[in-house]
Amino acid sequence: DAGVIQSPRHEVTEMGQEVTLRCKPISGHNSLFWYRQTMMRGLELLIYFNNNVPIDDSGMPEDRFSAKMPNASFSTLKIQPSEPRDSAVYFCASSLSRSGNTIYFGEGSWLTVV
Amino acid sequence: AQSVAQPEDQVNVAEGNPLTVKCTYSVSGNPYLFWYVQYPNRGLQFLLKYITGDNLVKGSYGFEAEFNKSQTSFHLKKPSALVSDSALYFCAVRDMNNNAGNMLTFGGGTRLMVKP
Repeated sequence: DAGVIQSPRHEVTEMGQEVTLRCKPISGHNSLFWYRQTMMRGLELLIYFNNNVPIDDSGMPEDRFSAKMPNASFSTLKIQPSEPRDSAVYFCASSLSRSGNTIYFGEGSWLTVV
Repeated sequence: AQSVAQPEDQVNVAEGNPLTVKCTYSVSGNPYLFWYVQYPNRGLQFLLKYITGDNLVKGSYGFEAEFNKSQTSFHLKKPSALVSDSALYFCAVRDMNNNAGNMLTFGGGTRLMVKP
């Protein structure tokens, strides 16, 4: 299996620009997670989808952030407009939805907003 | 609510010595417990998990962890550390009684440094 695939791996953008991060979960997995990792705040859960439906978005920092999952094999995390404090590593992860199943992470999208 | 604590920001150990990375958890019901490892510039990789059964769980790369219900702990161990084990380690917990899907709560991470 190819694992969770994220793109882009690295992005440098100017403040105010729109950023779109993409994720393809492991085939057959029906839960998808977006996490953000920073030195200051560690690993934070931003949003969680189950069967393409957002279940918990309480971790989304503000209205500038939005996430969609139009089908079982694709999700996006969008930041518009981006700010320097959004600089972080964004991870997508997926699992089968039953509690106790292992969550598998992608390699991350490293975002720098200048 | 579910929470997990990793009391040490960093653990230093000499190569060949045993290592322990500590984790304690808090859940209202019974826990599912996980360990992940993150190498520099990489995503989190699954090491091992406790769901039920034997309290001693064996995982990848020679790591193991022991579930201790009375102490609410799930410490990660390895009998003989390698320099290549140097990485960031995350403990995570899931309350079996939590009906909100398969969300894990992660600890803050512990950096393991193995010196030659």
